[in-house]
Amino acid sequence: EPEVTQTPSHQVTQMGQEVILRCVPISNHLYFYWYRQILGQKVEFLVSFYNNEISEKSEIFDDQFSVERPDGSNFTLKIRSTKLEDSAMYFCASSWGTSGANVLTFGAGSRLTVL
Amino acid sequence: AQKVTQAQTEISVVEKEDVTLDCVYETRDTTYYLFWYKQPPSGELVFLIRRNSFDEQNEISGRYSWNFQKSTSSFNFTITASQVVDSAVYFCAREGAQKLVFGQGTRLTINP
Repeated sequence: EPEVTQTPSHQVTQMGQEVILRCVPISNHLYFYWYRQILGQKVEFLVSFYNNEISEKSEIFDDQFSVERPDGSNFTLKIRSTKLEDSAMYFCASSWGTSGANVLTFGAGSRLTVL
Repeated sequence: AQKVTQAQTEISVVEKEDVTLDCVYETRDTTYYLFWYKQPPSGELVFLIRRNSFDEQNEISGRYSWNFQKSTSSFNFTITASQVVDSAVYFCAREGAQKLVFGQGTRLTINP
């Protein structure tokens, strides 16, 4: 069964450092997403991406965050200058259509620890 | 924001008991989708079910069943004859504005 692949599975970084989380969505999917889950809390939407641009973003997704689909297969989330509160599990997801009519397939997550 | 509320933070039962996880949602939309996801200890999010707001028929899949009540804005999930492998955090979610809004999750522990 097709799956969404995320790397790294766990990254530890120092506060202020830049981090890039990578995702390979399912190949025929057109919509891509990042969600975040702070430990023990609910899963929160960060951003959706379609046709090479952001289609929706939450208030969490401030200027420190950016997304990119650099080569037609990878979908990346960059945090420019990490803060302690960025420590969380970051989930990439993809879907063929918009999230209501089409089920999102999530990756296994990338755990980010900011020290 | 249109919230999803899972009032049960943690539930612990003995294996083979039936257990129901509650989910109440808010929406101003006439058409919407509801979801349940399972998050086992390994951390990934596993899709369980999607329900369209027009389809109020209850659904059963093996030991899992879902009760959608539009009148009370609830979409409850029942596991019959629970097993230890059912231990996980379960999230209810609603689709809105092209994103999923998740509830806080219910941590379900099934004890042998």
